[in-house]
Amino acid sequence: QVQLQESGPGLVKPSQTLSLTCTVSGGSISSGAYYWSWIRQHPGKGLEWIGYIYYSGSTYYNPSLKSRVTISVDTSKNQFSLKLSSVTAADTAVYYCARMVINLGSWYFDYWGQGTLVTVSS
Amino acid sequence: QSVLTQPPSVSAAPGQKVTISCSGSSSNIGNNYVSWYQQLPGTAPKLLIYENNKRPSGIPDRFSGSKSGTSATLGITGLQTGDEADYYCGTWDSSLSAGQVFGGGTKMTVL
Repeated sequence: QVQLQESGPGLVKPSQTLSLTCTVSGGSISSGAYYWSWIRQHPGKGLEWIGYIYYSGSTYYNPSLKSRVTISVDTSKNQFSLKLSSVTAADTAVYYCARMVINLGSWYFDYWGQGTLVTVSS
Repeated sequence: QSVLTQPPSVSAAPGQKVTISCSGSSSNIGNNYVSWYQQLPGTAPKLLIYENNKRPSGIPDRFSGSKSGTSATLGITGLQTGDEADYYCGTWDSSLSAGQVFGGGTKMTVL
């Protein structure tokens, strides 16, 4: 059974960089069959996709966040990470990591982490 | 404003059937598969339906999905109190601002 677990600071100051890591267990990030995504949910709101990374390091980001987002992968640790720069209070949200399936017009998330709340405040 | 449009809320009595709609356009639903997610209070979303109408292992057949043109529908039969949750549709949008998009979510209440 694949499991994903987010980790990182729960409080980040405005203008600083938010950094989170997702540790994958029960499966290898390097399997090549999946992509690895970050998704966030503002308090009481819907889901917003942030971006994905393939085990090779290739990435694709939400155009609305692209200028501030970096997703990286460490296959030796079976982890992938999110960095979001120049954060403001509008970046306060629950951040989820998820395994993404991409296949001939099909895009979906079959496994999710439990989520971690990140609050941006001084 | 979400790219995909869902009703904010739906409700029905236990044992009844409910449907949740998800409306999009030719750049998203019209040309890509749709997935549906259930988010129980205080938990992470869970995949319910993928590729319009397929259920992952462990999802009961009370949950079904369909797609027609630029709209998709999630159906839930035999409603149970444990089905009270937020439901989201999702797909890929192939417009100039391409990316994974979600509906705004529908809160489903079992009366």
